[in-house]
Amino acid sequence: AQKVTQAQTEISVVEKEDVTLDCVYETRDTTYYLFWYKQPPSGELVFLIRRNSFDEQNEISGRYSWNFQKSTSSFNFTITASQVVDSAVYFCALSEAGTGRRALTFGSGTRLQVQP
Amino acid sequence: EAGVTQFPSHSVIEKGQTVTLRCDPISGHDNLYWYRRVMGKEIKFLLHFVKESKQDESGMPNNRFLAERTGGTYSTLKVQPAELEDSGVYFCASSQDIAGIPNTQYFGPGTRLTVL
Repeated sequence: AQKVTQAQTEISVVEKEDVTLDCVYETRDTTYYLFWYKQPPSGELVFLIRRNSFDEQNEISGRYSWNFQKSTSSFNFTITASQVVDSAVYFCALSEAGTGRRALTFGSGTRLQVQP
Repeated sequence: EAGVTQFPSHSVIEKGQTVTLRCDPISGHDNLYWYRRVMGKEIKFLLHFVKESKQDESGMPNNRFLAERTGGTYSTLKVQPAELEDSGVYFCASSQDIAGIPNTQYFGPGTRLTVL
């Protein structure tokens, strides 16, 4: 069965520090999708990125970057020069495409606190 | 374009009462999903509609939960009778597959349900 582990429950950094949020996944499927969502204090889940299992290229979007490594089953998320507005809970999620199911399996989330 | 909307944002009811949650997906999205996060746990999948049909209801916890999507537009999730352990945040998401390929699920703001 699929599983997503976010071992870091809470991280606290000072503004302008870089921070990496870890995500490790388990799946028997060869075709799958990985996601990161952000949940700010307002409560909604905001989509950040989607990556399919055949694309191991790292991605950068402004201060955000993602490192996908199939060899270690990891999909880590780095925020460069963190800002107070980055404070939120971040969720990593997995969807197995091969089964035909669309259900997302979420990790337990990492709460990021960025102090001014 | 309007995002996924959910109503109400909060609901407080007593054990044994009935509550109905509503979700309006992004216009044109055939796929609609319900998830929930009970206190201290992961976000868990409940079910998936494709238009008005239940595609996957493997996550529904028991028969006190009834989801409908008449006409393939908005969806309701009824809990009857509510129990204390049903308290949590109920999220709705929608997506539109492209050429049969699963696409990103966009989430609503959630409904916080408190059962006293």
